[in-house]
Amino acid sequence: AQSVTQLGSHVSVSEGALVLLRCNYSSSVPPYLFWYVQYPNQGLQLLLKYTTGATLVKGINGFEAEFKKSETSFHLTKPSAHMSDAAEYFCAVINGWGGGNKLTFGTGTQLKVEL
Amino acid sequence: DTGVSQNPRHKITKRGQNVTFRCDPISEHNRLYWYRQTLGQGPEFLTYFQNEAQLEKSRLLSDRFSAERPKGSFSTLEIQRTEQGDSAMYLCASSLGAGELDIQYFGAGTRLSVL
Repeated sequence: AQSVTQLGSHVSVSEGALVLLRCNYSSSVPPYLFWYVQYPNQGLQLLLKYTTGATLVKGINGFEAEFKKSETSFHLTKPSAHMSDAAEYFCAVINGWGGGNKLTFGTGTQLKVEL
Repeated sequence: DTGVSQNPRHKITKRGQNVTFRCDPISEHNRLYWYRQTLGQGPEFLTYFQNEAQLEKSRLLSDRFSAERPKGSFSTLEIQRTEQGDSAMYLCASSLGAGELDIQYFGAGTRLSVL
């Protein structure tokens, strides 16, 4: 079965600093990977996804992630943090399309942005 | 497109009572998913529907839980004889159910507190 591990339940960065949120996956078949963001009292919003093709994917709000098969990783980055980026971030995986496409989520990383 | 709507947003109940939550998906979305999110964890898959058919249920979904999606539109999730361990955020998501375009859009969730 597929699984996702997010290293660091809490990450704190200064405004303007690099954001790096780590995600490693385990999958028996080529995975489809996602990053979602959750703001307080709101639902999850898709930031970006990797299915096939280019391994560096760009998402909304200046975030991007790179799929590295050799490292089984899909880390999320943003060059310069903004106060509005403070939220909880979830990495998720689907084992291919079809059969319901249910998402398996990591435990999340709470991002704090300080002045 | 008004997004995925969930009601109520919050529900407080006493142990042993029955509760029902409602989810209205994005119109024309064929698939509807239910997830449960407990404190400090990522969402966990409960069940999903393709139109009105319930196609998969997680082993997390005990026999006290039942979900329906009459006519393939809105869905309800009922929990009978609630227990304190049922306290969680219940998230609903919908998708077109069309292969690589099958992105899940989440509602804001229903937070259940069982006293």
